[in-house]
Amino acid sequence: GNSVTQMEGPVTLSEEAFLTINCTYTATGYPSLFWYVQYPGEGLQLLLKATKADDKGSNKGFEATYRKETTSFHLEKGSVQVSDSAVYFCALWASGTYKYIFGTGTRLKVLA
Amino acid sequence: EPEVTQTPSHQVTQMGQEVILRCVPISNHLYFYWYRQILGQKVEFLVSFYNNEISEKSEIFDDQFSVERPDGSNFTLKIRSTKLEDSAMYFCASRLLAGATDTQYFGPGTRLTVL
Repeated sequence: GNSVTQMEGPVTLSEEAFLTINCTYTATGYPSLFWYVQYPGEGLQLLLKATKADDKGSNKGFEATYRKETTSFHLEKGSVQVSDSAVYFCALWASGTYKYIFGTGTRLKVLA
Repeated sequence: EPEVTQTPSHQVTQMGQEVILRCVPISNHLYFYWYRQILGQKVEFLVSFYNNEISEKSEIFDDQFSVERPDGSNFTLKIRSTKLEDSAMYFCASRLLAGATDTQYFGPGTRLTVL
């Protein structure tokens, strides 16, 4: 079946550190891949997406590349800020389906 | 920026009681969803709703659950007789189109605690 596995949190970093949050997936066909972010007290917001292999999604300094060969979609940012503190969810939308499959979420805490 | 709203933000109930979780999707959206996240676990799909009927539901969404769009603006999730294991964060979502590339908007969630 379709599934998403992402790294356990929490992840605690100092401001300006490099961030990687790992995400791997299992899916039939060619899914679209997403990262959502949830800031405290708010809903999940789309951060970035990639719809086919080798696509790179990017937004607000975050990037993730759709790697079919490793079934991965790792989230990276070169220099995190305190305002990036949030929970990050990796998700897929499998071909022929009409719903997201999410990971567990990874809490990121950035210290000044 | 349009947003999905949910009320209440936190609901505490006794086991066996009925609860109704409320959502106001974005006004021109056509597809509506409920997801839930038990603490420490994955966000799980519960149900999708389109054209006033359920289009898909997960095996979690048993006879104890129902959804309704009573007045064209609210979208509700009812749990008829709550169990301890229904304690979770419930997220409502809406989107204009059904395809993968269309943006889905989520509400902030309702935390349901069943005692």
